[in-house]
Amino acid sequence: KAGVTQTPRYLIKTRGQQVTLSCSPISGHRSVSWYQQTPGQGLQFLFEYFSETQRNKGNFPGRFSGRQFSNSRSEMNVSTLELGDSALYLCASSLDAPQGSGKLFFGSGTQLSVL
Amino acid sequence: AQKVTQAQTEISVVEKEDVTLDCVYETRDTTYYLFWYKQPPSGELVFLIRRNSFDEQNEISGRYSWNFQKSTSSFNFTITASQVVDSAVYFCALSEPHSGNTPLVFGKGTRLSVIA
Repeated sequence: KAGVTQTPRYLIKTRGQQVTLSCSPISGHRSVSWYQQTPGQGLQFLFEYFSETQRNKGNFPGRFSGRQFSNSRSEMNVSTLELGDSALYLCASSLDAPQGSGKLFFGSGTQLSVL
Repeated sequence: AQKVTQAQTEISVVEKEDVTLDCVYETRDTTYYLFWYKQPPSGELVFLIRRNSFDEQNEISGRYSWNFQKSTSSFNFTITASQVVDSAVYFCALSEPHSGNTPLVFGKGTRLSVIA
């Protein structure tokens, strides 16, 4: 079974641009979560989608958004990029809902650098 | 509010030494789950263990063992006879599934370096 796939692996953008990251969950998993990882803040929850509905959202500004498609693939978008958005963005899928009880399977992440 | 503290930021050991990674958690719920994940240099977090709050039995899996103590709100992880391949960042996490779809909350992680 293929694991969680995130594309692209690396991205370099400049301030003010926008970016879209993609995540394909493990086949059969309907829950997709996104986390931002930085050296200073660690792993911070962005949002979770289940069956195309956002079930939970972390404490991030509205510039961060996401969506999930009918095939469970998910995208997250960051508009008006700031230097502080430089981070590793990790996607995780889960068979369970709600998210809290099941184990998460993570992708390798997208490393975003904002210059 | 839920919180996970991993006081050890970095640990360095020589191969074959035993090492224990500490995890202390805070929660108001009686039902919760505790997790450990490993993040190797490749980036993806790898699930190691899940423990629910009603099961305080310690668990051993090969060289890995976990000690869950509700009395001290700790869920510590021990690697016996460490190997270079154990070098990674290890995260402890907590979830409260009955508190309205709360996500996993992670500690800041402990970077383990095993030196040959």
